[in-house]
Amino acid sequence: QKEVEQNSGPLSVPEGAIASLNCTYSDRGSQSFFWYRQYSGKSPELIMSIYSNGDKEDGRFTAQLNKASQYVSLLIRDSQPSDSATYLCAVNRTYSSASKIIFGSGTRLSIRP
Amino acid sequence: GAGVSQTPSNKVTEKGKYVELRCDPISGHTALYWYRQSLGQGPEFLIYFQGTGAADDSGLPNDRFFAVRPEGSVSTLKIQRTERGDSAVYLCASSSPEGGRQGPTDTQYFGPGTRLTVL
Repeated sequence: QKEVEQNSGPLSVPEGAIASLNCTYSDRGSQSFFWYRQYSGKSPELIMSIYSNGDKEDGRFTAQLNKASQYVSLLIRDSQPSDSATYLCAVNRTYSSASKIIFGSGTRLSIRP
Repeated sequence: GAGVSQTPSNKVTEKGKYVELRCDPISGHTALYWYRQSLGQGPEFLIYFQGTGAADDSGLPNDRFFAVRPEGSVSTLKIQRTERGDSAVYLCASSSPEGGRQGPTDTQYFGPGTRLTVL
Protein backbone atom coordinates (compact mmCIF):
# COMPACT_ATOMS: atom_id res chain seq x y z
CA GLN A 1 0.00 0.00 0.00
CA LYS A 2 1.32 3.41 -0.95
CA GLU A 3 1.64 5.92 1.87
CA VAL A 4 -0.41 8.49 -0.04
CA GLU A 5 -2.94 7.34 -2.61
CA GLN A 6 -4.75 9.34 -5.23
CA ASN A 7 -6.83 8.44 -8.24
CA SER A 8 -4.64 9.25 -11.23
CA GLY A 9 -7.55 10.45 -13.34
CA PRO A 10 -7.97 12.14 -15.64
CA LEU A 11 -10.90 13.80 -13.95
CA SER A 12 -12.95 15.81 -16.44
CA VAL A 13 -15.22 18.55 -15.08
CA PRO A 14 -17.26 21.13 -17.01
CA GLU A 15 -16.34 24.76 -16.55
CA GLY A 16 -18.20 26.33 -13.65
CA ALA A 17 -18.80 23.03 -11.86
CA ILE A 18 -17.23 21.76 -8.64
CA ALA A 19 -14.15 19.57 -8.96
CA SER A 20 -13.62 17.10 -6.12
CA LEU A 21 -10.19 15.55 -5.58
CA ASN A 22 -9.57 12.85 -3.01
CA CYS A 23 -6.58 11.43 -1.19
CA THR A 24 -6.03 8.76 1.46
CA TYR A 25 -2.93 8.23 3.57
CA SER A 26 -1.69 5.29 5.59
CA ASP A 27 0.35 6.74 8.46
CA ARG A 28 -1.82 7.79 11.39
CA GLY A 29 1.13 9.81 12.72
CA SER A 30 0.82 12.28 9.86
CA GLN A 31 0.28 15.80 11.09
CA SER A 32 0.12 18.15 8.14
CA PHE A 33 -1.55 17.85 4.78
CA PHE A 34 -1.01 19.80 1.61
CA TRP A 35 -2.42 20.18 -1.85
CA TYR A 36 -0.02 21.22 -4.59
CA ARG A 37 -0.93 22.14 -8.15
CA GLN A 38 1.49 21.24 -10.92
CA TYR A 39 1.14 22.46 -14.46
CA SER A 40 2.77 20.37 -17.16
CA GLY A 41 6.50 20.98 -17.23
CA LYS A 42 6.42 23.16 -14.12
CA SER A 43 7.26 22.59 -10.47
CA PRO A 44 4.63 22.01 -7.75
CA GLU A 45 2.97 25.09 -6.29
CA LEU A 46 1.31 25.01 -2.86
CA ILE A 47 -2.37 25.94 -2.97
CA MET A 48 -3.73 24.69 0.35
CA SER A 49 -2.51 23.34 3.67
CA ILE A 50 -4.62 21.86 6.47
CA TYR A 51 -3.64 20.62 9.90
CA SER A 52 -6.84 19.90 11.84
CA ASN A 53 -10.04 18.03 11.17
CA GLY A 54 -12.74 19.87 9.28
CA ASP A 55 -12.86 22.28 6.39
CA LYS A 56 -10.55 25.09 5.41
CA GLU A 57 -11.62 27.54 2.74
CA ASP A 58 -9.47 29.85 0.64
CA GLY A 59 -11.23 31.56 -2.23
CA ARG A 60 -12.57 28.91 -4.62
CA PHE A 61 -10.64 26.16 -2.83
CA THR A 62 -11.78 24.13 0.18
CA ALA A 63 -9.62 21.49 1.82
CA GLN A 64 -11.29 18.86 3.99
CA LEU A 65 -9.51 16.64 6.50
CA ASN A 66 -10.80 13.59 8.35
CA LYS A 67 -7.99 12.05 10.40
CA ALA A 68 -10.16 9.20 11.69
CA SER A 69 -10.76 8.06 8.12
CA GLN A 70 -7.26 9.11 7.01
CA TYR A 71 -8.79 11.06 4.20
CA VAL A 72 -8.15 14.50 2.77
CA SER A 73 -9.91 16.16 -0.14
CA LEU A 74 -9.83 19.32 -2.19
CA LEU A 75 -12.89 20.99 -3.67
CA ILE A 76 -12.56 23.57 -6.41
CA ARG A 77 -15.68 25.66 -6.93
CA ASP A 78 -16.54 27.45 -10.16
CA SER A 79 -13.87 25.48 -12.04
CA GLN A 80 -11.95 27.41 -14.66
CA PRO A 81 -9.93 26.11 -17.64
CA SER A 82 -6.84 27.49 -15.85
CA ASP A 83 -7.47 24.96 -13.08
CA SER A 84 -6.54 22.17 -15.50
CA ALA A 85 -3.40 20.67 -13.97
CA THR A 86 -2.18 17.76 -11.89
CA TYR A 87 -3.06 18.05 -8.21
CA LEU A 88 -0.66 16.45 -5.76
CA CYS A 89 -1.69 15.46 -2.27
CA ALA A 90 1.18 15.56 0.22
CA VAL A 91 1.46 14.44 3.82
CA ASN A 92 4.08 15.62 6.31
CA ARG A 93 5.35 13.34 9.04
CA THR A 94 7.55 14.73 11.77
CA TYR A 95 9.83 12.29 13.54
CA SER A 96 12.72 12.94 15.94
CA SER A 97 14.20 16.22 14.68
CA ALA A 98 13.33 15.72 11.03
CA SER A 99 10.31 16.06 8.84
CA LYS A 100 9.47 14.37 5.58
CA ILE A 101 6.82 15.11 2.97
CA ILE A 102 5.38 12.17 1.09
CA PHE A 103 3.59 12.91 -2.16
CA GLY A 104 0.87 11.01 -3.92
CA SER A 105 1.15 10.35 -7.64
CA GLY A 106 -1.29 13.14 -8.41
CA THR A 107 -4.71 13.45 -10.03
CA ARG A 108 -4.90 14.97 -13.47
CA LEU A 109 -7.78 17.45 -13.67
CA SER A 110 -9.19 18.69 -16.95
CA ILE A 111 -11.75 21.49 -17.05
CA ARG A 112 -13.70 21.42 -20.28
CA PRO A 113 -15.13 24.75 -21.57
CA GLY B 1 11.80 38.22 -3.25
CA ALA B 2 13.75 35.63 -5.20
CA GLY B 3 12.51 32.08 -5.09
CA VAL B 4 14.39 28.80 -5.17
CA SER B 5 16.66 28.56 -8.20
CA GLN B 6 18.17 25.47 -9.78
CA THR B 7 20.86 25.06 -12.38
CA PRO B 8 21.12 23.80 -14.99
CA SER B 9 17.52 23.70 -16.15
CA ASN B 10 18.37 20.80 -18.47
CA LYS B 11 21.24 18.35 -18.41
CA VAL B 12 21.90 15.67 -20.98
CA THR B 13 24.66 13.22 -20.21
CA GLU B 14 25.89 9.82 -21.26
CA LYS B 15 25.56 6.67 -19.23
CA GLY B 16 28.44 6.33 -16.79
CA LYS B 17 29.20 10.04 -16.52
CA TYR B 18 29.20 12.18 -13.37
CA VAL B 19 26.76 15.06 -12.93
CA GLU B 20 26.23 17.84 -10.43
CA LEU B 21 22.92 19.63 -9.92
CA ARG B 22 22.78 22.87 -7.99
CA CYS B 23 20.10 24.37 -5.79
CA ASP B 24 20.03 27.90 -4.41
CA PRO B 25 17.31 28.14 -1.73
CA ILE B 26 15.31 31.15 -0.64
CA SER B 27 17.54 33.41 1.42
CA GLY B 28 17.27 32.61 5.11
CA HIS B 29 15.64 29.21 4.65
CA THR B 30 17.49 26.71 6.79
CA ALA B 31 15.76 23.57 5.52
CA LEU B 32 16.47 22.24 2.03
CA TYR B 33 15.03 19.19 0.31
CA TRP B 34 15.86 17.26 -2.84
CA TYR B 35 13.19 15.29 -4.68
CA ARG B 36 13.14 13.29 -7.89
CA GLN B 37 10.07 13.22 -10.11
CA SER B 38 9.51 10.76 -12.91
CA LEU B 39 6.83 11.19 -15.55
CA GLY B 40 3.36 10.57 -14.17
CA GLN B 41 4.55 10.30 -10.59
CA GLY B 42 4.65 12.62 -7.61
CA PRO B 43 7.95 13.94 -6.28
CA GLU B 44 9.96 11.26 -4.49
CA PHE B 45 11.91 12.37 -1.41
CA LEU B 46 15.70 11.99 -1.64
CA ILE B 47 17.38 13.96 1.13
CA TYR B 48 16.71 16.74 3.64
CA PHE B 49 19.22 19.22 5.06
CA GLN B 50 18.78 21.25 8.20
CA GLY B 51 21.56 23.81 7.98
CA THR B 52 24.75 22.14 6.78
CA GLY B 53 23.91 18.62 7.90
CA ALA B 54 21.83 15.97 6.22
CA ALA B 55 19.02 15.31 8.71
CA ASP B 56 17.54 12.53 6.60
CA ASP B 57 19.14 10.89 3.56
CA SER B 58 16.94 7.80 3.60
CA GLY B 59 15.54 8.55 0.14
CA LEU B 60 18.84 8.39 -1.71
CA PRO B 61 18.47 5.31 -3.92
CA ASN B 62 22.06 4.07 -3.63
CA ASP B 63 25.62 5.19 -2.99
CA ARG B 64 25.96 6.73 -6.44
CA PHE B 65 23.90 9.64 -5.10
CA PHE B 66 25.37 12.17 -2.71
CA ALA B 67 24.44 15.70 -1.69
CA VAL B 68 26.25 18.45 0.16
CA ARG B 69 25.41 21.83 1.62
CA PRO B 70 28.73 23.03 3.02
CA GLU B 71 27.72 26.53 4.08
CA GLY B 72 24.08 25.93 4.89
CA SER B 73 22.81 27.68 1.79
CA VAL B 74 23.53 26.36 -1.71
CA SER B 75 23.29 22.59 -2.12
CA THR B 76 24.72 20.30 -4.78
CA LEU B 77 23.30 16.90 -5.66
CA LYS B 78 25.99 14.67 -7.13
CA ILE B 79 25.32 11.53 -9.17
CA GLN B 80 28.18 9.22 -10.08
CA ARG B 81 28.19 6.65 -12.88
CA THR B 82 24.83 7.80 -14.15
CA GLU B 83 22.37 5.22 -15.44
CA ARG B 84 19.44 5.62 -17.83
CA GLY B 85 17.08 5.02 -14.91
CA ASP B 86 18.37 8.21 -13.27
CA SER B 87 16.60 10.24 -15.94
CA ALA B 88 14.01 12.41 -14.19
CA VAL B 89 13.30 15.94 -13.05
CA TYR B 90 15.24 16.72 -9.89
CA LEU B 91 13.41 19.21 -7.70
CA CYS B 92 14.76 21.23 -4.83
CA ALA B 93 12.61 22.86 -2.15
CA SER B 94 13.36 25.03 0.85
CA SER B 95 11.48 26.04 3.95
CA SER B 96 11.97 28.16 7.02
CA PRO B 97 11.19 26.25 10.19
CA GLU B 98 10.12 28.33 13.14
CA GLY B 99 12.64 28.46 15.94
CA GLY B 100 15.24 26.69 13.83
CA ARG B 101 13.50 23.35 14.21
CA GLN B 102 11.61 21.69 11.39
CA GLY B 103 7.98 21.37 12.29
CA PRO B 104 4.83 19.88 10.78
CA THR B 105 3.48 23.16 9.48
CA ASP B 106 6.48 24.29 7.45
CA THR B 107 5.65 25.09 3.86
CA GLN B 108 8.10 23.96 1.22
CA TYR B 109 8.74 26.17 -1.81
CA PHE B 110 9.92 24.40 -4.92
CA GLY B 111 12.45 25.45 -7.50
CA PRO B 112 11.84 24.98 -11.26
CA GLY B 113 13.75 21.69 -11.33
CA THR B 114 16.56 20.25 -13.41
CA ARG B 115 15.57 17.82 -16.13
CA LEU B 116 18.27 15.15 -16.29
CA THR B 117 18.44 12.89 -19.33
CA VAL B 118 20.90 10.02 -19.34
CA LEU B 119 21.47 8.60 -22.81
